[in-house]
Amino acid sequence: DSGVTQTPKHLITATGQRVTLRCSPRSGDLSVYWYQQSLDQGLQFLIQYYNGEERAKGNILERFSAQQFPDLHSELNLSSLELGDSALYFCASSVGGSEPTYEQYFGPGTRLTVT
Amino acid sequence: KNQVEQSPQSLIILEGKNCTLQCNYTVSPFSNLRWYKQDTGRGPVSLTIMTFSENTKSNGRYTATLDADTKQSSLHITASQLSDSASYICVVSALDLGAGSYQLTFGKGTKLSVIP
Repeated sequence: DSGVTQTPKHLITATGQRVTLRCSPRSGDLSVYWYQQSLDQGLQFLIQYYNGEERAKGNILERFSAQQFPDLHSELNLSSLELGDSALYFCASSVGGSEPTYEQYFGPGTRLTVT
Repeated sequence: KNQVEQSPQSLIILEGKNCTLQCNYTVSPFSNLRWYKQDTGRGPVSLTIMTFSENTKSNGRYTATLDADTKQSSLHITASQLSDSASYICVVSALDLGAGSYQLTFGKGTKLSVIP
């Protein structure tokens, strides 16, 4: 158990809908990262927040947005969902925000299925 | 464009045998390289992190090597166990000078199956 929690574990929704994925980082970690892993694809970095502020942006679509709240939990919002958005979404956390060798601890993931 | 290529895509070995997984990257400017183990349907777990100046790093039966000149890394697994069956992902970090932040580029992973 990494200490990172994600809810829900599974989510099934229809195209065009909007969903929110939630992540709680490990106690003491200030950074939260979001990743997407499609079937047979590698992990794709979406976005990073550090202590409530956006720190780095990866391949995140405009239909997706995220935020980190004062209690450091984070939410990833996916809107106008398409079939291709079906994937595993992972959240990870780390102590620091910009030091490149900080360990990232991954949550168990949320499996999103868009029908 | 930053890229990380891993080989082989998949590998089947007998329990107790050794194996080596490869990672080639074209990421620049290089900051560090990580190896993760990902069990099916679960989040990745870090095995090693190596910076530019480190050539070798071990974590139990896992030994990672890094050649920053040739931009290659390998992960050697010794005396494999059934629990080693997983995907092994190579991740390279680079400094994005424009954004002022570090970007991670992930390989697609090598799927290792250890059979009795």
